[in-house]
Amino acid sequence: GAVVSQHPSRVICKSGTSVKIECRSLDFQATTMFWYRQFPKQSLMLMATSNEGSKATYEQGVEKDKFLINHASLTLSTLTVTSAHPEDSSFYICSARHSGANVLTFGAGSRLTVL
Amino acid sequence: KQEVTQIPAALSVPEGENLVLNCSFTDSAIYNLQWFRQDPGKGLTSLLLIQSSQREQTSGRLNASLDKSSGRSTLYIAASQPGDSATYLCAVTSGNTGKLIFGQGTTLQVKP
Repeated sequence: GAVVSQHPSRVICKSGTSVKIECRSLDFQATTMFWYRQFPKQSLMLMATSNEGSKATYEQGVEKDKFLINHASLTLSTLTVTSAHPEDSSFYICSARHSGANVLTFGAGSRLTVL
Repeated sequence: KQEVTQIPAALSVPEGENLVLNCSFTDSAIYNLQWFRQDPGKGLTSLLLIQSSQREQTSGRLNASLDKSSGRSTLYIAASQPGDSATYLCAVTSGNTGKLIFGQGTTLQVKP
């Protein structure tokens, strides 16, 4: 079956540093990937839609300069949290949409802790 | 703006019970509805997907129904087991975009 890999699964960083999270579709091509954020005991909130070869589309209230998204290939999207602050600590999950199909596969998530 | 609500927020049942989780959405113009399972600190596992033209889907002990006109879906779990303990999330898409709007989830505990 389709597999989406997220890396790293856990990351701890100091306030002010930048952190990159990768989302890879391992056995299929994904023209579209989605990035979600989940705070403790809350549901997933869509942050942005990442399209291969074009700029990401951000949801209202999400700072595009803070959460940089790059989707340079059909199998890889990256989310960079720039100048991270403790309030950015969260669980970040990506999903990938199979090209030409209405099927989404989720990654296992990346837990970011900013000290 | 689409909003998805799940009731109850938490549920604790003894092993073997049949149970129903509820999901409601404010805009009935959905493309499809999905139920997911999330274990603590983990990603999502898709359980059932119901297209807008469908009324229900079944997989093993799970049955999901959809009443689009009333904006409701239920997830029925038969003969619950401790391994069913997890958070169950309902999500809808309003078009063929892949963008999911999630409910808050129901955290289920099945006690042995």
